[in-house]
Amino acid sequence: DVKVTQSSRYLVKRTGEKVFLECVQDMDHENMFWYRQDPGLGLRLIYFSYDVKMKEKGDIPEGYSVSREKKERFSLILESASTNQTSMYLCASTVTGDANTIYFGEGSWLTVV
Amino acid sequence: GDSVTQMEGPVTLSEEAFLTINCTYTATGYPSLFWYVQYPGEGLQLLLKATKADDKGSNKGFEATYRKETTSFHLEKGSVQVSDSAVYFCALSDPRGSGTYKYIFGTGTRLKVLA
Repeated sequence: DVKVTQSSRYLVKRTGEKVFLECVQDMDHENMFWYRQDPGLGLRLIYFSYDVKMKEKGDIPEGYSVSREKKERFSLILESASTNQTSMYLCASTVTGDANTIYFGEGSWLTVV
Repeated sequence: GDSVTQMEGPVTLSEEAFLTINCTYTATGYPSLFWYVQYPGEGLQLLLKATKADDKGSNKGFEATYRKETTSFHLEKGSVQVSDSAVYFCALSDPRGSGTYKYIFGTGTRLKVLA
């Protein structure tokens, strides 16, 4: 089975802290994504990566950065956490090509106080 | 740009009732269409998909037909169970023109099934 693993399920951080969310997939997928999920807004794409060291901004990249040094790992970084970044963060991966299933991690609940 | 619109929830049904969750889309090309489901405390997982017009995707008693003429992909199930309580997301994938694909999700519809 495909496994997308997010390192932390629940985090509480203080305003201004630097936050790292880690994601690892075990299926050699080229494409990896970070979404945030908020009630009434659904899933919004923050960043995605289609290859090692490659990244592209999604719809809401402000306040975030990403790192993909190895194919299996995609990290989301909040440079200086703010309360409006309190949310559920979902990592996902898929192979390149049409109509391929996207596999999601279980999510990381981040609270910024 | 591409978008997916699905009916707002929550949808509350009694067990064995018929379910319809509406989904319409706009896309510049010929997208593939998906339904994903999110059970409480979990990430999303694929429920079913369809890749071209008139295709029907089905899984676990759920069905959806790709209707190009109405740009719709409505989710249906003849008899829901309490275990179907979850959030359902309609989604599409469309080529970005660089060999990669963009994935657009709807806002999700929460379904609650009462025993």
